[in-house]
Amino acid sequence: DAGVIQSPRHEVTEMGQEVTLRCKPISGHDYLFWYRQTMMRGLELLIYFNNNVPIDDSGMPEDRFSAKMPNASFSTLKIQPSEPRDSAVYFCASSLPGQGGTEAFFGQGTRLTVV
Amino acid sequence: SQQGEEDPQALSIQEGENATMNCSYKTSINNLQWYRQNSGRGLVHLILIRSNEREKHSGRLRVTLDTSKKSSSLLITASRAADTASYFCATPYTGANSKLTFGKGITLSVRP
Repeated sequence: DAGVIQSPRHEVTEMGQEVTLRCKPISGHDYLFWYRQTMMRGLELLIYFNNNVPIDDSGMPEDRFSAKMPNASFSTLKIQPSEPRDSAVYFCASSLPGQGGTEAFFGQGTRLTVV
Repeated sequence: SQQGEEDPQALSIQEGENATMNCSYKTSINNLQWYRQNSGRGLVHLILIRSNEREKHSGRLRVTLDTSKKSSSLLITASRAADTASYFCATPYTGANSKLTFGKGITLSVRP
């Protein structure tokens, strides 16, 4: 398996524009996580899915953020409208099911810059 | 919050020395995980220690877990310049759904 695949690797957009980040988890992994990493706040969990169903979205900062997982092999994180403070590296990770958590595999991240 | 907190925030050592990093957490756990992140890359899983284990080894890595103190340590022996990275501990929430959160990480610099 090629691992968790995220696209694009880099995104530069103007304030107010819609941004869509994409993630393909490892085949067979039931859990999918979206994280945001900044110097100030560290690695924040935004939302996670189990079997394509959102389980906890309490980390999503605002209504401008939304995430979907239409099937087991694809997820999107959308920001609409984007703002400069959304600039960060966004990571997607996936893992197998297991009581109390198992090893998570991370993608290479999408570096988002909102100008 | 369940997330672990790493200590120290930054660590600088000479190649060949040992590096010890600590993690504390707040509530009961099923396991604790350590990850490494090289600059500009995603996190990579290093080792998982279960709540009924006290110590675990993997190559030059040694992890201990003290559930009575709610703390864990990661020891890297005979460090190399290639060990320069950020290190994170992660404490999945207990229960059926594995919410995985991270601390702010430790920046390790190994000087050649």
